[in-house]
Amino acid sequence: DTGVSQDPRHKITKRGQNVTFRCDPISEHNRLYWYRQTLGQGPEFLTYFQNEAQLEKSRLLSDRFSAERPKGSFSTLEIQRTEQGDSAMYLCASSLETRPSYEQYFGPGTRLTVT
Amino acid sequence: AQSVTQLGSHVSVSEGALVLLRCNYSSSVPPYLFWYVQYPNQGLQLLLKYTSAATLVKGINDFEAEFKKSETSFHLTKPSAHMSDAAEYFCAVSSTLSSGSARQLTFGSGTQLTVLP
Repeated sequence: DTGVSQDPRHKITKRGQNVTFRCDPISEHNRLYWYRQTLGQGPEFLTYFQNEAQLEKSRLLSDRFSAERPKGSFSTLEIQRTEQGDSAMYLCASSLETRPSYEQYFGPGTRLTVT
Repeated sequence: AQSVTQLGSHVSVSEGALVLLRCNYSSSVPPYLFWYVQYPNQGLQLLLKYTSAATLVKGINDFEAEFKKSETSFHLTKPSAHMSDAAEYFCAVSSTLSSGSARQLTFGSGTQLTVLP
């Protein structure tokens, strides 16, 4: 299967710990997006990469959050000093530059629980 | 700013009955609108999209939606519900990022559909 993959699927961590999630987009998709979905809400945009460049960051992305896409392929999202409010599903999506950018393909998500 | 509002966080229908999930949008420009479905512990799957072509849009699994500019609505319907349709449904609008290079999706808060036997 060549869809968007995310790892891990579930992460439980204690408050104050750092966590890192990985997203592998569809091969050749040069656009990559991160969204956060809290319980009972729709996903909210966090950040956007075109190739390795991070071109957009939402106000939701506090300075405890950092995202990278070093080689323009996979991306990582790190949360430092996790807080209980960080508990959410973190979704990754990708799209192809030659297609409309609203055609985003979503991964299965990483569910983070901060205890 | 563009936004969508989903009316009804929970909808229950009997198997075989009509499914109607409501979505209203707010946009100062012609919107691109979408419906996504999310099964438990899974990502989002695109059901259908409106991109300013035909106002009646057909999607997968017999879902369809009609864009009504006068009502600023984009309601999702399915003639006959199946048990497998039980899931959460999200309406979304696409808006240009400030960098101008791509678009983000802005989602409603979702409607949980329950199908009763």
